[in-house]
Amino acid sequence: GENVEQHPSTLSVQEGDSAVIKCTYSDSASNYFPWYKQELGKGPQLIIDIRSNVGEKKDQRIAVTLNKTAKHFSLHITETQPEDSAVYFCAATPSAAGNKLTFGGGTRVLVKP
Amino acid sequence: EAQVTQNPRYLITVTGKKLTVTCSQNMNHEYMSWYRQDPGLGLRQIYYSMNVEVTDKGDVPEGYKVSRKEKRNFPLILESPSPNQTSLYFCASRPGRHNSPLHFGNGTRLTVT
Repeated sequence: GENVEQHPSTLSVQEGDSAVIKCTYSDSASNYFPWYKQELGKGPQLIIDIRSNVGEKKDQRIAVTLNKTAKHFSLHITETQPEDSAVYFCAATPSAAGNKLTFGGGTRVLVKP
Repeated sequence: EAQVTQNPRYLITVTGKKLTVTCSQNMNHEYMSWYRQDPGLGLRQIYYSMNVEVTDKGDVPEGYKVSRKEKRNFPLILESPSPNQTSLYFCASRPGRHNSPLHFGNGTRLTVT
């Protein structure tokens, strides 16, 4: 089955700096890669996703890049703000197992004012 | 408001005492799923359901049961809870089409002593 590894497990950045979270996956058939943000006491919420036919996607201060050859994808947050402090999860799913979304271990991001 | 509602939010119980965590969604979603969240392990899928009366095992189904008698409800049943089931549990739902975003509830923190 799919295996997703996520790094780093914790990330502390100064407000205004950029944050980068990296994930690798094992199943070359994976074709959908969402990112979820989990705030304290809440469930994860989708912030951006990318499909395998696209190499990069941006939404305001958030961008995701995908390298299918290397089987890794990354989340980039620019101009970080205190409200970006949360736990972030990457995930991957192969088209043949579209009902099983495999998550990475999570990254706790702290943005210091 | 579109939402996934889990109850209870917190539950402390003793080994062997059967319990049920309820999950309800008001978005008419076909797909529902249960996850457990443990530090460093991310979110691991317990069971999922593609539609009424259709359920299947996820990655960590041992010790859990589910049922899907109505489209909106997907309860998680622990027939004989054990301390290793102490965890944070999330219910999620999405439309039936492949690779749609998951909508999560706010979680149930279960402690089994």
